[in-house]
Amino acid sequence: EDKVVQSPLSLVVHEGDTVTLNCSYEVTNFRSLLWYKQEKKAPTFLFMLTSSGIEKKSGRLSSILDKKELFSILNITATQTGDSAIYLCAVEATGNQFYFGTGTSLTVIP
Amino acid sequence: EAGVVQSPRYKIIEKKQPVAFWCNPISGHNTLYWYLQNLGQGPELLIRYENEEAVDDSQLPKDRFSAERLKGVDSTLKIQPAELGDSAVYLCASSLNGELFFGEGSRLTVL
Repeated sequence: EDKVVQSPLSLVVHEGDTVTLNCSYEVTNFRSLLWYKQEKKAPTFLFMLTSSGIEKKSGRLSSILDKKELFSILNITATQTGDSAIYLCAVEATGNQFYFGTGTSLTVIP
Repeated sequence: EAGVVQSPRYKIIEKKQPVAFWCNPISGHNTLYWYLQNLGQGPELLIRYENEEAVDDSQLPKDRFSAERLKGVDSTLKIQPAELGDSAVYLCASSLNGELFFGEGSRLTVL
């Protein structure tokens, strides 16, 4: 059975901390791994990763994929209260199929 | 360019009543998805369309849920009759080139 597992389920940090969110997967016919940020509305796209070892970076957020060990991490440095959200990991398989993890709930305290 | 549009944003109904949600995907996106998202959970696929064809509806509770995408563009998801456990956010999404775009969601509360 295809599955995506995220950890931790929730995280509370102070502003300025660095956090690492984890996503492991077992999905046949893997095509890509995607990270989304979800506040009190629809998930918004952060990164798409298709190749191992190539870091994607956007401001204080970065992500990397390991296709051999079947996981990805999302790093957020110098966290801000605006980073508080649920972070979703999804894996796309061939045939336009997407499998989601349960998400990591991040709370950043001022 | 307009994103994925959903309506209504919020709906409150009593159990056993019917409810319908509408979705207009991004223009040119042939693949359309309906997801259910419970609080604290990731989205769970209900149905996936390729154009007007439902190619994956294995997780759709067909005794009470139905969906259609008659002209391969916008789509409607219906629940009849609604149950208390159907309270959730119903997300519509469309995809192109491996990127999934979500609508704002329709939050259903069943009393």
